[in-house]
Amino acid sequence: DIQMTQSPSSLSASVGDRVTITCRASQSISIYLNWYQQKPGKAPKLLIYGASSLQSGVPSRFSGSGSGTDFTLTISSLQPEDFATYYCQQSFSTPLYTFGQGTRLEI
Amino acid sequence: QVQLQESGPGLVKPSQTLSLTCSVSGGSISSGGHYWSWIRQHPGKGLEWIGYVFHTGSTYHNPSLKSRVTMSVDTSKNQFSLNLTSVTAADTAVYFCARRTLTISGVVIIDYWGQGTLVTVSS
Repeated sequence: DIQMTQSPSSLSASVGDRVTITCRASQSISIYLNWYQQKPGKAPKLLIYGASSLQSGVPSRFSGSGSGTDFTLTISSLQPEDFATYYCQQSFSTPLYTFGQGTRLEI
Repeated sequence: QVQLQESGPGLVKPSQTLSLTCSVSGGSISSGGHYWSWIRQHPGKGLEWIGYVFHTGSTYHNPSLKSRVTMSVDTSKNQFSLNLTSVTAADTAVYFCARRTLTISGVVIIDYWGQGTLVTVSS
């Protein structure tokens, strides 16, 4: 199975900050990497797919990059509603699409 | 707008079977080539694939759950279901149903989720 490792596990930031979250795959997954945002008590929401494609309706302050084994999610200017937990997920290795352990973004 | 809604008991006794149903609205479960998925989240933890089912009935489940998982689809009701047998406290989690979609660019995504339902395994 492909293992996904996110860093950091938690992160403190302020409104207006630029934030970067990293996800590393245990083997190359090309660009088959998705990012989700989850708020407490809610289902995850797709933000980025294919490493860098913005899902419809997601604000442009969210961006993704990377390929192979190393990927980043960047939030250019944090807004109050962005404080949540973020998960990466690989969709390279069918049929088991593993998630990272999550990064909790706190105020 | 596609919507998914889980239903089922919130409390299951150890060694019994956890049974959940996901009702899909706003689209047919038989169209679009989607796979209908179950994902769970242990309290305060990350996300774990349980498996998924196609409208034809073909399924895949996470090998870590061994042979305890059964999934099925009822196209007449636009629903799909999960059975997890011989549950233990380790199966206590929020269970999400979700839609797995293949984008035009060939990337698999989970684009629609149910709200999730907490299932507690306890006597």
